[in-house]
Amino acid sequence: DQQVKQNSPSLSVQEGRISILNCDYTNSMFDYFLWYKKYPAEGPTFLISISSIKDKNEDGRFTVFLNKSAKHLSLHIVPSQPGDSAVYFCAASRGNQGGKLIFGQGTELSVKP
Amino acid sequence: NAGVMQNPRHLVRRRGQEARLRCSPMKGHSHVYWYRQLPEEGLKFMVYLQKENIIDESGMPKERFSAEFPKEGPSILRIQQVVRGDSAAYFCASSPRPTYTGELFFGEGSRLTVL
Repeated sequence: DQQVKQNSPSLSVQEGRISILNCDYTNSMFDYFLWYKKYPAEGPTFLISISSIKDKNEDGRFTVFLNKSAKHLSLHIVPSQPGDSAVYFCAASRGNQGGKLIFGQGTELSVKP
Repeated sequence: NAGVMQNPRHLVRRRGQEARLRCSPMKGHSHVYWYRQLPEEGLKFMVYLQKENIIDESGMPKERFSAEFPKEGPSILRIQQVVRGDSAAYFCASSPRPTYTGELFFGEGSRLTVL
């Protein structure tokens, strides 16, 4: 029962262009959605989040969009930089169980110079 | 280093042995979470502990796995009689208080290989 899905295992983008990473979920009870970034041999690092009552959250080059009717969220990175190359995990949580994150499988982003 | 510290970083065990993974949360954090990442998969929640208490162990396998977070010392994830399927990366995360937003601070993980 995969409640959070990232259907693209990998994405390759040219430096300076936009990277769009997608995530779908099935449980309408989720309160928060998050993106974590992970480099090889390191732990995940929190990147950006969005509450289920919002449809957009922006932080510098990173913007997360939430479409509740489609149960879909996306992470936009503009402009993409080689240092953004990593695995990006989408995650979801319910407010009363905030630390019990449900992760997607991850999308490996490669930004080419 | 003020981050979440996990050790060992790498652990090799033969089938039937015991594995003990340790996690020291960030300074000032009293809430600890353990996650497991199997090859080619996302992280899966295992257990949530506060000092001396198990708050939620709904993700823990029913047998062979246990976790504790004593009053003094690190949190420990213990796997008894390991099998090859236990080979994975085990991540610990911490937070200063119960988190409602899901923002956690993760350690670098402990990679268990079962021969």
